[in-house]
Amino acid sequence: AQSVAQPEDQVNVAEGNPLTVKCTYSVSGNPYLFWYVQYPNRGLQFLLKYITGDNLVKGSYGFEAEFNKSQTSFHLKKPSALVSDSALYFCAVRDRDSGYALNFGKGTSLLVTP
Amino acid sequence: ETGVTQTPRHLVMGMTNKKSLKCEQHLGHNAMYWYKQSAKKPLELMFVYSLEERVENNSVPSRFSPECPNSSHLFLHLHTLQPEDSALYLCASSKEPGPTYEQYFGPGTRLTVT
Repeated sequence: AQSVAQPEDQVNVAEGNPLTVKCTYSVSGNPYLFWYVQYPNRGLQFLLKYITGDNLVKGSYGFEAEFNKSQTSFHLKKPSALVSDSALYFCAVRDRDSGYALNFGKGTSLLVTP
Repeated sequence: ETGVTQTPRHLVMGMTNKKSLKCEQHLGHNAMYWYKQSAKKPLELMFVYSLEERVENNSVPSRFSPECPNSSHLFLHLHTLQPEDSALYLCASSKEPGPTYEQYFGPGTRLTVT
C-alpha cells in the first residue's frame, strides 16, 4: 500500500522568507513523487516531480523539492515566498505497483503575509 | 491554463435529476481521469480511461456513469445522486497512464445535490 502524509494543515510565512511544506511517503517500491498547487476555485496545477536521478528537483514558479530516501520525505521549498504563493499544496505519490492511482495527501494551506 | 476544460463550472441538482459533466483536453494526451474532491478529505480517484478504454473503476457507485467517446473528451453522467455526493469533481489527463507521468487538471465542477 502507498500513502502520503502532510503533517501540517497550515503553514504561515512572511513575504521574502524561505518556505517549506513537508511531505512524507510510504510505498512498497521506488516512489514517483509529485507536488501540485490549488488556488481558490481552481483545479490542481502541477509544480514538479521526482522520478529518478538528482535528489533536488526544480519546478515552476521558483519552487523546488528535495527527495530524501532515508527519511522518506519530499519537502517542497522556495527561497523567498511571495504573497501570491498563498494556496493549497498537495503532495502525491505513485509506484510501479500502485495501478493508476495517484495518491494525494490531504493538503497544506500556505499563507504568505506581507 | 492547463489545457483541460470542464463544463459546467457549477451545478445544482436535485436527487431525482439526471445531469452530465463534460471534460475536454487539448493536450493530445492518451489517459483521462475523474477525481472527487470533498472538504477535509484527500482527492479520490473515481475512473481512469486509457485510449478510450476504462481501465480503473475505483468502487464508485453506479449512480456515477463515465463515458469516453474519444481520447479528448470525457463525461460523467449523474443520476439519483445523494447529498453526500456534493463535491468538486475534477477531470485530469496525462500523456500516458503510467506512474511517471504528471496529470493536468481542469478547474473542476462544483456540484451541489439538494
